[in-house]
Amino acid sequence: QKEVEQDPGPLSVPEGAIVSLNCTYSNSAFQYFMWYRQYSRKGPELLMYTYSSGNKEDGRFTAQVDKSSKYISLFIRDSQPSDSATYLCAMSTAYSSASKIIFGSGTRLSIRP
Amino acid sequence: NAGVTQTPKFQVLKTGQSMTLQCAQDMNHNSMYWYRQDPGMGLRLIYYSASEGTTDKGEVPNGYNVSRLNKREFSLRLESAAPSQTSVYFCASSEYGNQPQHFGDGTRLSIL
Repeated sequence: QKEVEQDPGPLSVPEGAIVSLNCTYSNSAFQYFMWYRQYSRKGPELLMYTYSSGNKEDGRFTAQVDKSSKYISLFIRDSQPSDSATYLCAMSTAYSSASKIIFGSGTRLSIRP
Repeated sequence: NAGVTQTPKFQVLKTGQSMTLQCAQDMNHNSMYWYRQDPGMGLRLIYYSASEGTTDKGEVPNGYNVSRLNKREFSLRLESAAPSQTSVYFCASSEYGNQPQHFGDGTRLSIL
């Protein structure tokens, strides 16, 4: 079983819809949670970064962490065709000596005009 | 501010040829990483360098070597390229190992 599980999709929704992207994880030591967006033929770019449980909002994007369920979500409100991309979750422990973060395999999202 | 710069952007090699992929970051980050990304496989870590002077194997290190030349630069070498190494290669850096990583735009490598 992978440490981080993410549904690969593809997920196709109409423009203006609310999108929900999710990841589950098994390591209870994870404290930092990230979402990356990757456009075709580009590198992943950091979209959201949160610590521990709770919600964080940035414009149309909301990241939610439920540590009791080991479940994180990214919500996109008023989705736009420009949101069409692959979204990767990532997470790490609180120890700065930790050597790396763990990525999900990504969910491909398509927003239909 | 360029962030993470990878060269070259594209390359075609013949089986058995060698090649070095270059990566440089200008964010004064301590940690650097090399990934490969294949369809349906997500990002797979090849090698990483937690700090200048150290390197460690990741999930798929076979057939690759790395050099952390200095704090800014981290290169990936294919000594004898194989068709199975056809992939998109990404370099990334972070301030520390558990912090968000910043990625370059990748090198698209084809081995014939």
